[in-house]
Amino acid sequence: AQSVAQPEDQVNVAEGNPLTVKCTYSVSGNPYLFWYVQYPNRGLQFLLKYITGDNLVKGSYGFEAEFNKSQTSFHLKKPSALVSDSALYFCAVRDFSYNNNDMRFGAGTRLTVKP
Amino acid sequence: DAGVIQSPRHEVTEMGQEVTLRCKPISGHNSLFWYRQTMMRGLELLIYFNNNVPIDDSGMPEDRFSAKMPNASFSTLKIQPSEPRDSAVYFCASSPLRTANTGELFFGEGSRLTVL
Repeated sequence: AQSVAQPEDQVNVAEGNPLTVKCTYSVSGNPYLFWYVQYPNRGLQFLLKYITGDNLVKGSYGFEAEFNKSQTSFHLKKPSALVSDSALYFCAVRDFSYNNNDMRFGAGTRLTVKP
Repeated sequence: DAGVIQSPRHEVTEMGQEVTLRCKPISGHNSLFWYRQTMMRGLELLIYFNNNVPIDDSGMPEDRFSAKMPNASFSTLKIQPSEPRDSAVYFCASSPLRTANTGELFFGEGSRLTVL
């Protein structure tokens, strides 16, 4: 079965600095990878996805993610963090090797951007 | 678009009572997912449907939990009887089946359940 791991519970960065939120994945077939963001008392919002093509994927709010097949990673990045980026971030994976289409999420990483 | 609509947004009940959570997926979406979010266990997939048919319910915690999708525009998640450990935020999400193999899920705002 597919799975993702987010090794960091918490990431703290200063406003204006670059940020990275890490994610590694495990699938038996081709990975379909996603990043979501959750603000307090809200549902999950889609940020970006990797299906195929360029390894660098650009998404909403200036976020991007780099797919690395050899390292089975899909880290989320942003060149310059904003205080408003503070939220809970989830990495997710879908694997269609066995005729299913469910989505599995990591444990989440809480990003705090300090002024 | 109205988005995925969940009700109630908040529910407080006493142990032993029946709880029913409701979800209306985005029109045209025929894959529907129920997730549970807790601090201890994170975001867990409970069950999902394709074209109103349950595909995988292996995440349903126990027989007290049941889910139905009687038509393409409505699903329920029922807990009977409820217990304090069921306290969590329950999310419903939907996606089009046509692009379900590549597409993202669209989430509702969640139903926060507190069982006293």
